[in-house]
Amino acid sequence: GAGVSQSPSNKVTEKGKDVELRCDPISGHTALYWYRQSLGQGLEFLIYFQGNSAPDKSGLPSDRFSAERTGGSVSTLTIQRTQQEDSAVYLCASSSRGAGLGEQYFGPGTRLTVT
Amino acid sequence: DAKTTQPPSMDCAEGRAANLPCNHSTISGNEYVYWYRQIHSQGPQYIIHGLKNNETNEMASLIITEDRKSSTLILPHATLRDTAVYYCIPGNYGQNFVFGPGTRLSVLP
Repeated sequence: GAGVSQSPSNKVTEKGKDVELRCDPISGHTALYWYRQSLGQGLEFLIYFQGNSAPDKSGLPSDRFSAERTGGSVSTLTIQRTQQEDSAVYLCASSSRGAGLGEQYFGPGTRLTVT
Repeated sequence: DAKTTQPPSMDCAEGRAANLPCNHSTISGNEYVYWYRQIHSQGPQYIIHGLKNNETNEMASLIITEDRKSSTLILPHATLRDTAVYYCIPGNYGQNFVFGPGTRLSVLP
């Protein structure tokens, strides 16, 4: 079946512009997670959705970052007034409470470059 | 969050078994041990997970000690395509997964 998809795959934007990153989770997966990975670094957790609610937003680095999820499916991560330190690969993952017992399946990521 | 310790790097000859250890001595009773790998420039790939019994799937085997404080991921016949960074992560549904530095496995021809 289809895995997690993300769009765009690459995004180059000028400092100060807003960007939106999209994640389509695996159909039926109730949990959705956003992470980011800076060059040569490990994964950094940003936010977790259960359905359309976000019980854990602890990883969002500043109020310029926000995310929403609609219909228990697609999620959008928005970064306002982008800064060069926002440059990273943004990864989305989804998981199910069912028989799979919680493993997260990751998308290919969106590589964001802020110039 | 439970803390993990993994060797920073390992080498393995192609066709041999790769055994990757992980210490997770502070794992909670309801947390599974998940293993992922990340090949350069790709998203993390799920490999296998377990609670307390040993597990095997088409990719790997997972051996968990009886006290659950450590585990070993076994790739039975490593290929060049298995070169990647491997992560062990204690966790459960609804938890954010904490990816440590992992083990960089190099499979050598």
